[in-house]
Amino acid sequence: DIQMTQSPSTLSASVGDRVTITCRASQNINSWLAWYQQKPGKAPKLVIYKASSLESGVPSRFSGSESGTEFTLTISSLQPDDFATYYCQQYNNFPWTFGQGTKVEIK
Amino acid sequence: QLQLQESGPGLVKASETLSLTCSVSGGSFSSTSHYWGWVRQPPGKGLEWIGSIFYNGNTFYNPSLKSRVTISVDTSKNQFSLKLSSVTAADTAVYYCARHTYGIGLHWGQGTLVTVSS
Repeated sequence: DIQMTQSPSTLSASVGDRVTITCRASQNINSWLAWYQQKPGKAPKLVIYKASSLESGVPSRFSGSESGTEFTLTISSLQPDDFATYYCQQYNNFPWTFGQGTKVEIK
Repeated sequence: QLQLQESGPGLVKASETLSLTCSVSGGSFSSTSHYWGWVRQPPGKGLEWIGSIFYNGNTFYNPSLKSRVTISVDTSKNQFSLKLSSVTAADTAVYYCARHTYGIGLHWGQGTLVTVSS
């Protein structure tokens, strides 16, 4: 199985901050990586796919990038609606696997 | 617009079989661009992919659950289902049905909590 190691597990930030979350794959996943946002009691919502493509309807302050097996989700200016838990997921190989999640909380 | 809705018992006894159905609107099982599947999330924990089924009936399961999982499709009802046998308390979770679009990612149902009781 491909292991997805996500960091940090918790991130405290203020509105307007630039926020970066990292996900490292244990092997090459050919950019087949998605980022999801999950709010309490709700289903995850797709934010970024294929490492850097913005899902339709998602604000442009969200962006994704990659360098080898390291992937990054960046929120350029954190907004109140962005406080949530974020998960990465690889879909290059079965079994599809998720990172452990990063909770973005209010500082 | 795609809509997915899970249904099934919210309480299952230990050692029995968990059965859930996902009703689909706005999507076709005959598409070669989609996988249909299930993901679960124990209370307060992260996400675990359970398995998926392709339009041709090919199934892909998480090895950690493979011996207990069956995913099937009923195209006449526009539904797909999950069966998980011999459940224990560790199977208590919110179960999500989801559609994976090739090259993109998962779009999710709202989820349903299943509690395993002893």
